[in-house]
Amino acid sequence: QVQLVESGGALVKPGGSLRLTCAASGFTFNDYYMSWVRQAPGKGLEWVSYISTSGSLIQYADSVKGRFTISRDNAKNSLYLHMNSLRAEDTAVYYCARYRRLGYYFDYWGQGTLVPVSS
Amino acid sequence: SYELTQPPSVSVSPGQTASITCSGDKLGEKYTSWYQQKPGQSPVLVVYQDTKRPSGIPERFSGSNSGNTATLTISGTQAMDEADYYCQAWDSDTVLFGGGTKLAVL
Repeated sequence: QVQLVESGGALVKPGGSLRLTCAASGFTFNDYYMSWVRQAPGKGLEWVSYISTSGSLIQYADSVKGRFTISRDNAKNSLYLHMNSLRAEDTAVYYCARYRRLGYYFDYWGQGTLVPVSS
Repeated sequence: SYELTQPPSVSVSPGQTASITCSGDKLGEKYTSWYQQKPGQSPVLVVYQDTKRPSGIPERFSGSNSGNTATLTISGTQAMDEADYYCQAWDSDTVLFGGGTKLAVL
């Protein structure tokens, strides 16, 4: 069965950096686009970024453009999110999700990892 | 920029039909998906490509999309359906979510 397991969430100070990892299993990872979606405490869902199967196509939300970098290692069945210049408003649970590009939807989600940004 | 608008809350009695709307400019020309999220849990896809249901999702969940409004309909609503629901679409290479609707089954 499809499993997505995020890790790497930790308390970080404003201006700091962090790398999140999503370990995928139960499907052919390099056949699917992947994405990060976040949810601030008590708030709604916010799309962060997606990456194509080969990594050649990448898109970011305006709120993270220039600060976050999405990447993938198909040999390791892993998705990453490198986050720099973190701000308090980046505090959120970050979900890894499989993105169905042809239909524009997320069919599987991980359990999420919490990233609090605070001094 | 493109926006999706949902009502903050909807109430329904058990066994009745709940309708949750999602509005956006010419939304009917885009595929819309819906996600259910219960407290402390990850979102779950309940409807995709406007009207399709993933395997394992009960038949009481259905979707429609026309004009400027997409609608998630839950027929014979059960207490277990109480949750937050989010619509989602795609526009200009970016992914958009509605603000979410809290469904109360009273």
